Amino acid sequence: DAGVTQSPTHLIKTRGQQVTLRCSPKSGHDTVSWYQQALGQGPQFIFQYYEEEERQRGNFPDRFSGHQFPNYSSELNVNALLLGDSALYLCASSFYLSTARARETQYFGPGTRLLVL
Amino acid sequence: AQTVTQSQPEMSVQEAETVTLSCTYDTSESDYYLFWYKQPPSRQMILVIRQEAYKQQNATENRFSVNFQKAAKSFSLKISDSQLGDAAMYFCAYKGYGGSQGNLIFGKGTKLSVKP
Repeated sequence: DAGVTQSPTHLIKTRGQQVTLRCSPKSGHDTVSWYQQALGQGPQFIFQYYEEEERQRGNFPDRFSGHQFPNYSSELNVNALLLGDSALYLCASSFYLSTARARETQYFGPGTRLLVL
Repeated sequence: AQTVTQSQPEMSVQEAETVTLSCTYDTSESDYYLFWYKQPPSRQMILVIRQEAYKQQNATENRFSVNFQKAAKSFSLKISDSQLGDAAMYFCAYKGYGGSQGNLIFGKGTKLSVKP
């Protein structure tokens, strides 16, 4: 059973550039959530995608956008990169709606480490 | 808004001993989930244990158990027979019930060291 996968594992960009991060959910899951984890902090919720639509969004600027594809995989795009965007970006997958409560548990991928110079 | 607080930035335990990590949270909801996730240096966030707020019984998973006090809004993690592989950052997280409550709210984490 394949778990959540993310690519790339590491990325170095310069200020002002744009970046795209990718995530494939755990087999059978239909929902993808993205989190930003700054060094020494807990993850912060960016947004969640289900049925190819953004369903919920955290307190992040419009420079952060996303997309979900018909196969449930997802992309996170960040435009006009700032030094403060340097962080570990985590993707998590789950089921959106289910009568089985356990299916709401989110499972995480290994993350993408982004460094903005 | 919901918040999660972990008041212990760092904890240390001797191998084979027991350690308890603390977590408190604030919510006005009656139905929700609480989680403990482990993040080793490899940085992959691994689910340790899950508690559903409507269940009075405390969750257990092998050497890991929780003390869930709903009225006090407290959710501590007990690790028994600690092993070197338990060394990691531990995050307490809250999630509302239902698809519209999709986001996990994390505490700042507790760094656990295990001494041989």
